[in-house]
Amino acid sequence: EVQLVESGGGLVQPGGSLRLSCAASGFTFSNYWMQWVRQVPGKGLVWVSRISSDGSDTTYADSVKGRFTISRDNAKNTLYLQMNSLRAEDTAVYYCVRGVNGLDPWGQGTLVTVSS
Amino acid sequence: QSALTQPASVSGSPGQSITISCTGTSSDVGGYDYVSWYQQHPGKAPKLMIYDVSKRPSGVSNRFSGSKSGNTASLTISGLQAEDEADYYCCSYAGGGTFVFGGGTKLTVL
Repeated sequence: EVQLVESGGGLVQPGGSLRLSCAASGFTFSNYWMQWVRQVPGKGLVWVSRISSDGSDTTYADSVKGRFTISRDNAKNTLYLQMNSLRAEDTAVYYCVRGVNGLDPWGQGTLVTVSS
Repeated sequence: QSALTQPASVSGSPGQSITISCTGTSSDVGGYDYVSWYQQHPGKAPKLMIYDVSKRPSGVSNRFSGSKSGNTASLTISGLQAEDEADYYCCSYAGGGTFVFGGGTKLTVL
């Protein structure tokens, strides 16, 4: 079964840092581009970042550029999102997703709360 | 990276057909055939329903179909069923390796 499991979310103060992880299983992780999408509870989906299958190509939404870094370890079948200089508006559920033009499957999400 | 425009809500009776629109610009929806649609039930992760404008992943009912004309993409659900009640989001490639989602549409099955 193809599965994505996020972890690393939690409560962090404004200006703080957090690293999210996404453990992939059930498929050849190194063959797929991966993405992060976030959602404020009760609100819509927002694209955050994308990484190529070998990690050499990354792109970011303007709202996180320069603060967030996406990376991956294909040997560990794990996707990461390093989040620095966190702001209140970064509070959201963060989803790890496989694919490029059709995102499937989605993890269950991990909640990040930025608050003092 | 402005969000694509979707109606906030649509509704229909069981058995009817409904269409959800997703309007962007020539820089996203109109510029690429990379529009996808996602269904999200309350408290659940989104599920891919349509990709590349009109392709359906295996396992998704053929009651779901997608199309595009100019800067507007559409998701049509025919033979509406109670379990179709959910939020629906469109997503488009926006160039430069970036993507943009729509604001979401709440579908109510009357």
